[in-house]
Amino acid sequence: NAGVTQTPKFRILKIGQSMTLQCTQDMNHNYMYWYRQDPGMGLKLIYYSVGAGITDKGEVPNGYNVSRSTTEDFPLRLELAAPSQTSVYFCASVSRGQETQYFGPGTRLLVL
Amino acid sequence: AQSVTQPDIHITVSEGASLELRCNYSYGATPYLFWYVQSPGQGLQLLLKYFSGDTLVQGIKGFEAEFKRSQSSFNLRKPSVHWSDAAEYFCAVGPQGGSEKLVFGKGTKLTVNP
Repeated sequence: NAGVTQTPKFRILKIGQSMTLQCTQDMNHNYMYWYRQDPGMGLKLIYYSVGAGITDKGEVPNGYNVSRSTTEDFPLRLELAAPSQTSVYFCASVSRGQETQYFGPGTRLLVL
Repeated sequence: AQSVTQPDIHITVSEGASLELRCNYSYGATPYLFWYVQSPGQGLQLLLKYFSGDTLVQGIKGFEAEFKRSQSSFNLRKPSVHWSDAAEYFCAVGPQGGSEKLVFGKGTKLTVNP
């Protein structure tokens, strides 16, 4: 099993550009999450999904969109990139009742 | 609302010294508690967890943590720190039944001096 994979690892965007951060898990987990991590701020939940076709907002959803068409994939879309979206983004997944969320390696995004 | 406080943003210890990282939580019921470690440039890895039972839990890499309900704390300890323990450590709290909805602390960065 590859676990949770994220692409790209690093990306530089110009203000106003759009991009999609990819997240795939091969563990058949029903729950998936997107977090952003900023220095000294810990992890903030952006969006989450409890299954294919079901998504919900987390703590900091503004400026982002998600979709969940399959169990495996949970892409995060930035429509109009802003400098405030410079961050490290982590995807995670878990099945209900499991003991831990599994994290991907992260995507570092720089918006200039 | 649930919250997690890690009072120490940055801690520096010498290799071989003991370590204690503090974590306090606010939660309406008995929570599940977790410690994660993040090495530079990596994702988060679970160190240990507390669900119920014995309040002293053992984790990987020689870490342990003690749940103290009266103090709403879940402090992480290690008797002798190794240089490879330099990383950022996150405490997290979630509802009983699993780790579907976690709230993370802001993290404590650990520096280990030779």
